[in-house]
Amino acid sequence: EAGVAQSPRYKIIEKRQSVAFWCNPISGHATLYWYQQILGQGPKLLIQFQNNGVVDDSQLPKDRFSAERLKGVDSTLKIQPAKLEDSAVYLCASSLGLKVHEQYFGPGTRLTVT
Amino acid sequence: ELKVEQNPLFLSMQEGKNYTIYCNYSTTSDRLYWYRQDPGKSLESLFVLLSNGAVKQEGRLMASLDTKARLSTLHITAAVHDLSATYFCAVDSYTGNQFYFGTGTSLTVIP
Repeated sequence: EAGVAQSPRYKIIEKRQSVAFWCNPISGHATLYWYQQILGQGPKLLIQFQNNGVVDDSQLPKDRFSAERLKGVDSTLKIQPAKLEDSAVYLCASSLGLKVHEQYFGPGTRLTVT
Repeated sequence: ELKVEQNPLFLSMQEGKNYTIYCNYSTTSDRLYWYRQDPGKSLESLFVLLSNGAVKQEGRLMASLDTKARLSTLHITAAVHDLSATYFCAVDSYTGNQFYFGTGTSLTVIP
């Protein structure tokens, strides 16, 4: 079974530029999560989708971050404009459903904002 | 906001020794998860604990959950070098729509 795929793996941008990350969850997984992991910290949940609907985005900085999952499969997370403090690893995870608790994580995208 | 605290943050132990990592959380939840993260890698699920008194074991690791004390432990028995990694606990909010990770415990097992 293929795991959660993410791209790109690494990205370096200057502050005020825009960037987008892509995630393809495990086939059949209805729930998709985006996390931000700053170096030395635990992951922080940014947004959670159930199929193509948003379940929770309370910790997403909506003035600069946006995410979509239009067809209920792949998802993109965008930052526009980026700030220095956005430097982090962005992790995508998926699970079978909302109340099915085991999440499977992708390899992450390491973002450096200079 | 639910807070999840782990201790210790850093742990250096010799091979063959036993040790326990603690995970405390601040509000009602009966679902607790343990993950492992190797340097530069993503997270790997270790245990899912879904009720008070739940205990799960895999190899040299055993996890338990006490929802009344809001405490989970990850016990390491006879540590080996391959267990060196960062271990995170995570908790569902009671409504199940938020997911909070702990601060992480960086474990180094010395030969």
